[in-house]
Amino acid sequence: NAGVTQTPKFQVLKTGQSMTLQCAQDMNHEYMSWYRQDPGMGLRLIHYSVGAGITDQGEVPNGYNVSRSTTEDFPLRLLSAAPSQTSVYFCASGSRDRGYGYTFGSGTRLTVV
Amino acid sequence: AQSVTQPDIHITVSEGASLELRCNYSYGATPYLFWYVQSPGQGLQLLLKYFSGDTLVQGIKGFEAEFKRSQSSFNLRKPSVHWSDAAEYFCAVVSASGGSYIPTFGRGTSLIVHP
Repeated sequence: NAGVTQTPKFQVLKTGQSMTLQCAQDMNHEYMSWYRQDPGMGLRLIHYSVGAGITDQGEVPNGYNVSRSTTEDFPLRLLSAAPSQTSVYFCASGSRDRGYGYTFGSGTRLTVV
Repeated sequence: AQSVTQPDIHITVSEGASLELRCNYSYGATPYLFWYVQSPGQGLQLLLKYFSGDTLVQGIKGFEAEFKRSQSSFNLRKPSVHWSDAAEYFCAVVSASGGSYIPTFGRGTSLIVHP
C-alpha cells in the first residue's frame, strides 16, 4: 500500500539513550518532514527535507538529527534522549504535483524515563 | 513568517447539527490552505485544500471550506455532523512563493459530538 511507514509504533527509552525513528515513503515525494505532537501544542516542525541530500531545521530541532540519503527514507535520530522528548512523532511527505497536500505516517509514541 | 490560528480549542455539537470550525492565517500573499483530520491514535488525513479558483472547496467526508481573502480565513463547515466526525481538526498553510513548502499547522480544534 502506498503511503508513509513509520517504525517503531511505540518505544520506551531511558534518559541518555539514543535511537533512530524510521520513516519511509513510496510515493516519490520530494518533501519530507518530522513533527512532534504534544497536548495543546499542535504539531511542531522538527526537521524537514526538500529533496535527497537536503535537510533543514524546523521550529524545535535541538536534540534531533536527520539525513536524507535517498528520496524514500528520512530517519530521525535522538542523540541523547531526555524526558522533554516524550511525545508522539509524525513523519509526513508531500509533493508539488499533489499541491503540497501531505501524507502522514501513523506515528511513533515515545516515552523517555 | 506564516502562522495559523484556530481560535477554538474545543467545539461541542449535537449529532445532526451543522458545524463550522474557524481558521485564520497570517501571510503576505495567497498561500496553499489545508484542513486535516486526526482520529484518536492515528496520523493526520487530508480533508481538503485550496490554492486558487472557486473560494468554496469540497472535500472528503462531506466537508467543505470557504476561503475569504478579506478576512484571512479558511473556515471548515459541514451541514450535518455524524458521531464518527468526533476528532481533532487542524488547519495548515504552505507558502506559495518560495520557502520550504512545508506546512505550518494551527494548534487544532477538538470536535466533540453529542448523541
